[in-house]
Amino acid sequence: GQNIDQPTEMTATEGAIVQINCTYQTSGFNGLFWYQQHAGEAPTFLSYNVLDGLEEKGRFSSFLSRSKGYSYLLLKELQMKDSASYLCAPLRTYKYIFGTGTRLKVLA
Amino acid sequence: DAMVIQNPRYQVTQFGKPVTLSCSQTLNHNVMYWYQQKSSQAPKLLFHYYDKDFNNEADTPDNFQSRRPNTSFCFLDIRSPGLGDAAMYLCATGQGGYQPQHFGDGTRLSIL
Repeated sequence: GQNIDQPTEMTATEGAIVQINCTYQTSGFNGLFWYQQHAGEAPTFLSYNVLDGLEEKGRFSSFLSRSKGYSYLLLKELQMKDSASYLCAPLRTYKYIFGTGTRLKVLA
Repeated sequence: DAMVIQNPRYQVTQFGKPVTLSCSQTLNHNVMYWYQQKSSQAPKLLFHYYDKDFNNEADTPDNFQSRRPNTSFCFLDIRSPGLGDAAMYLCATGQGGYQPQHFGDGTRLSIL
């Protein structure tokens, strides 16, 4: 199966750190991608993991544990513009299966 | 800048009237994808082309077809749109492997 679970909504304060979790069950899994999507706009690529461990990219980091079917996206020094949906997308061959996304609200 | 371009941004059609959405890319990527995204839902893959090889998802309705006349262009044809087909349609390109997909801005389709 390809059940992908993410929290539906999260709220955090400007300047804080937030962790968005994603669990999945997928066969033939090759990697896991994270995308950001603002309302009414296309998804934009944030980060990806192929191997276990942490990938850091500026204010955004992503972690993967393949054996546990678990990933998280860590956002540091939150800004108001980070209010968006964050989509977890396990990759099978060259196709994504998108999760429904986590809607993050950043409060002043 | 190399990019993925979708036209038009907004499309209105009548119930049952065929409609075509277009996507072009300057990235020279092998793979082109079409997704349907409804409000508050995840993007749902409809089909993709790997070069000229067409790959349909099992649950994509027969009402949806696609054409890729060359590397740069890909079209989504909806033969007889129903009210349930109103959505954002996203085109994306990729190189396969572990490379990220690049999305166009989408076409928002409304059905009257």
